[in-house]
Amino acid sequence: AQSVTQLGSHVSVSEGALVLLRCNYSSSVPPYLFWYVQYPNQGLQLLLKYTSAATLVKGINGFEAEFKKSETSFHLTKPSAHMSDAAEYFCAVSDRRDAGGTSYGKLTFGQGTILTVHP
Amino acid sequence: NAGVTQTPKFRILKIGQSMTLQCTQDMNHNYMYWYRQDPGMGLKLIYYSVGAGITDKGEVPNGYNVSRSTTEDFPLRLELAAPSQTSVYFCASRRNMGLEPQHFGDGTRLSIL
Repeated sequence: AQSVTQLGSHVSVSEGALVLLRCNYSSSVPPYLFWYVQYPNQGLQLLLKYTSAATLVKGINGFEAEFKKSETSFHLTKPSAHMSDAAEYFCAVSDRRDAGGTSYGKLTFGQGTILTVHP
Repeated sequence: NAGVTQTPKFRILKIGQSMTLQCTQDMNHNYMYWYRQDPGMGLKLIYYSVGAGITDKGEVPNGYNVSRSTTEDFPLRLELAAPSQTSVYFCASRRNMGLEPQHFGDGTRLSIL
């Protein structure tokens, strides 16, 4: 069974500071990993995804994430926070097609991390 | 292009009432999903569908039913509303190709009183 753990339900940074949101996963097969962002009263928007093509993945709005197999991690970073980055962020793992298996793209989400950006 | 549309946006139900949450997508996606979101719990998969006429249970299906008579529509039915079903419900869809991401609607906020 797959699982995702996001360390820290709330993260607070100053505008211009580094953003680091932590995500660890558990999967019996090499995973597909995603980061989504949710702004208030909206649905989830895709930030970036890891599909095994490259360990460092660049997404929208200046975010990037690095897949580290040895640490089973997929942490999200942004060098300089902006006020508009304030939102809730979700890490998710997808079931993956493997030999004899079937993937339906079902997502298992972490608990979410609320990012607050102070002026 | 509307994407994934959910109606209603808000609803208050009394315990024991029933209702249907509507979801429609105009992207011709085969795969559709229903999630519920509770504070501090992330999103949990309720049901999913891989095409018209094909549905299957997710992680938390109890108390819900779905149908998929067309590619566009994937309604979620609550037969006997309970306070534990107070939540925000999200519908999503994706293409069955490679690792296409899921596209989400804006959600339905449901309160059971």
